[in-house]
Amino acid sequence: GNSVTQMEGPVTLSEEAFLTINCTYTATGYPSLFWYVQYPGEGLQLLLKATKADDKGSNKGFEATYRKETTSFHLEKGSVQVSDSAVYFCALYNAGGTSYGKLTFGQGTILTVHP
Amino acid sequence: EAQVTQNPRYLITVTGKKLTVTCSQNMNHEYMSWYRQDPGLGLRQIYYSMNVEVTDKGDVPEGYKVSRKEKRNFPLILESPSPNQTSLYFCASSLRRANQPQHFGDGTRLSIL
Repeated sequence: GNSVTQMEGPVTLSEEAFLTINCTYTATGYPSLFWYVQYPGEGLQLLLKATKADDKGSNKGFEATYRKETTSFHLEKGSVQVSDSAVYFCALYNAGGTSYGKLTFGQGTILTVHP
Repeated sequence: EAQVTQNPRYLITVTGKKLTVTCSQNMNHEYMSWYRQDPGLGLRQIYYSMNVEVTDKGDVPEGYKVSRKEKRNFPLILESPSPNQTSLYFCASSLRRANQPQHFGDGTRLSIL
């Protein structure tokens, strides 16, 4: 079946530091990949997505590149801000077979940014 | 304002007492789904619905029921809640499919004693 594995958290950084949150996946075929962000006390919201190999999704200074050869979709940001403190979820959608209609999420990574 | 509304936001109840968590969206979305969020496990999909009267199991459907009689509403029913269903629950909707941006509610925190 499909699965998503994220790096263990929590991640604690100082403001303006470089951020990487690793995400790898297991799926057959050509899934679509997503990063969602959850701010404290809120539901998730879509941060960025990529639908095919070598696509780069980007939004609000965050980027992630769909690497089929390494089955990865790592999230990066060059300079984090305190307001980026949140929980980040990597997710996968695979239209094939019994997966149709399902969205599979990783465990989530807590990011805390200090001034 | 476009939104997904869940009620209640918080509930403490006892084992075996039937409960319903309501979910309503005002965006005319066809796709709706329910997730539970547990520490270390992320979000796991319980049920989803592609349209009115069309529902299907997600990855953790045991102990839950859903219905989709109207496009805007997708209630989650726990017929006989147990302590292992203590969790944070989210409802989400999108225009037609799971690979389109999901709009999430603010969550419902359930405690089953």
